[in-house]
Amino acid sequence: QKEVEQDPGPLSVPEGAIVSLNCTYSNSAFQYFMWYRQYSRKGPELLMYTYSSGNKEDGRFTAQVDKSSKYISLFIRDSQPSDSATYLCAMSVGDSSYKLIFGSGTRLLVRP
Amino acid sequence: NAGVMQNPRHLVRRRGQEARLRCSPMKGHSHVYWYRQLPEEGLKFMVYLQKENIIDESGMPKERFSAEFPKEGPSILRIQQVVRGDSAAYFCASSHTPETYYGYTFGSGTRLTVV
Repeated sequence: QKEVEQDPGPLSVPEGAIVSLNCTYSNSAFQYFMWYRQYSRKGPELLMYTYSSGNKEDGRFTAQVDKSSKYISLFIRDSQPSDSATYLCAMSVGDSSYKLIFGSGTRLLVRP
Repeated sequence: NAGVMQNPRHLVRRRGQEARLRCSPMKGHSHVYWYRQLPEEGLKFMVYLQKENIIDESGMPKERFSAEFPKEGPSILRIQQVVRGDSAAYFCASSHTPETYYGYTFGSGTRLTVV
């Protein structure tokens, strides 16, 4: 079993839709959680990070962490075609926060 | 302020040759991390280096792979006697402190193809 599970998609939605991307994890020691966006043939770009249960909002993006369920989500409001990319969740434990454990990524396609 | 710079962007090597991948961290950053991404997979941690020191190489294959970050110049990931299974995208990232709970910035990667 992988430490971090992520549905590979692809997820296809119409422009303007609310998108929900999710990851589950098995290691209860994970403390820090991040979401990265990766366009084709590019490096991952950090979108959001959080280290506590609950919600964190940044513009059209909301990151949600439920440590009791070992479940994290990224919501994208008013999705745009430019949001079409692969979204990777990543997490780490406290004493080696530099070592990110990534999900395999969810491909998102926002149709105009 | 330039971001993390990696070169070459694309590298083709025949089986048995050596591959050298270079990473210049962001200005002022002395911590470098290398990750490998196989097709349709997430990134896998390989190694964490500070200037002249390897801090954590727990993700490096035991043979053929090595990494360095000299006092002067870029960090180098070296793969000797490459095999087809080494074909992947290799990304590096950098930070100015080892406390990276807020994530870090990646370069655009080097795509290695072994033929």
